[in-house]
This record gives sequence, C-alpha cells and structure tokens, in this order.
Amino acid sequence: DARVTQTPRHKVTEMGQEVTMRCQPILGHNTVFWYRQTMMQGLELLAYFRNRAPLDDSGMPKDRFSAEMPDATLATLKIQPSEPRDSAVYFCASVLSSLNTGELFFGEGSRLTVL
Amino acid sequence: DQQVKQNSPSLSVQEGRISILNCDYTNSMFDYFLWYKKYPAEGPTFLISISSIKDKNEDGRFTVFLNKSAKHLSLHIVPSQPGDSAVYFCAASSRDSGGYQKVTFGIGTKLQVIP
Repeated sequence: DARVTQTPRHKVTEMGQEVTMRCQPILGHNTVFWYRQTMMQGLELLAYFRNRAPLDDSGMPKDRFSAEMPDATLATLKIQPSEPRDSAVYFCASVLSSLNTGELFFGEGSRLTVL
Repeated sequence: DQQVKQNSPSLSVQEGRISILNCDYTNSMFDYFLWYKKYPAEGPTFLISISSIKDKNEDGRFTVFLNKSAKHLSLHIVPSQPGDSAVYFCAASSRDSGGYQKVTFGIGTKLQVIP
C-alpha cells in the first residue's frame, strides 16, 4: 500500500510548547515537500528536500520552524515555540523527482491547534 | 505574492450541469498546470494536468483548458455529480535551480454539487 503517512493526525497544544510532525514518504520517492493549508493562503510551500538535502525553506518562519530528513524514510517538521497563528493543517507530499511534472502524492495531513 | 490565483472561494452547481472552475497565474515560467481535489480530512489528490505547450487536456468528465496569452486556465466538469463536491486546488509547476519541478498552489475553490 504505497502512501504517504503523517503523524500525528491531530495535535492540540498550548502556546510555547514544542510540536514535531512526522512524515514517511512513499518508498522510493526522493523528493519530500511540506505544505501548510490555511484559509487565507491555501496551500503554502514551507520547505522541500531532494535526496534528503534541503533545497528551499524560504516559506518557513526561520526563527521557530525547522525541517529535517534524518533518513530517506522520515521527514520531520518542528515548531518551537508554537504560537496560535501556527494553527493549520500541515501536509507532507512526496514524489520521484525524475518523473515529476507536478503530480505530488500527499499524506492525510496533521491538524495542529495551538491554544 | 500569489502566483496562482483562484478568485472564487466557492461554487454551487446542480447535478448534471457543467462546473467551471477558474484559475489565473502570473509566472510565465510555469511549465505544467494541475488540478487537485481535496475531500475533508484527506490530503489533496491529483486530478488532471496540462503541459504549457497544450491548450486542452481531457480525461473523462474532466477537461482542463489553458489560455497562455491570458495566463488563465479552467477546469470543466461535465456532467457534475454529487461526489465531485470538494475543494479544488489549482497548481502550477516550474523548474527550480536544480532543474526539478517545484509546485505552487492556489487557495482553492469549494465546489458543491446539489442533487
């Protein structure tokens, strides 16, 4: 069953707490994207990796967000400290870059609520 | 700076009629345009795409039209069915500095098909 897996599906936390979201890309996919869905901005690109190397994280607030790929099967997005304005659904997507025309495979998302 | 714009946040259509979703873009370097469909509590899924060198692509009930001179594309669904009720994201891809595709999304249009 080839799919992108994200954990947790839901997270409620208090302002100031650290939040870590995890993503397991589809096996064999070498490019991983993190998007955030908000009502005002739609799907915003936060960061992406190719072959585990970060390529572009210009969409992320650098002071509090960090993204890493410790290995080819795991991508993480961390927020420290979290703020209420970070409340959103965070999506991970993966693709095999050599075949990519823009068709990405998304996970089901992590819904974050910061109180 | 929204490079992909969906100006209609919502659309209601009667079952059996045509649904037309519109999208405008500003970046002339985009080389693929895509539509994604998203149901509540799920990740977006790829629906249909078109290369920038084409002006039409059809897949069953779904047709995407591209007008490069106007920097405009549209998705036609004929006939519309209640199961088509979802949020539709317009997306466009361009090559990053490494020559690989990077995908930019609009804010989405919520389609409701009324039985």
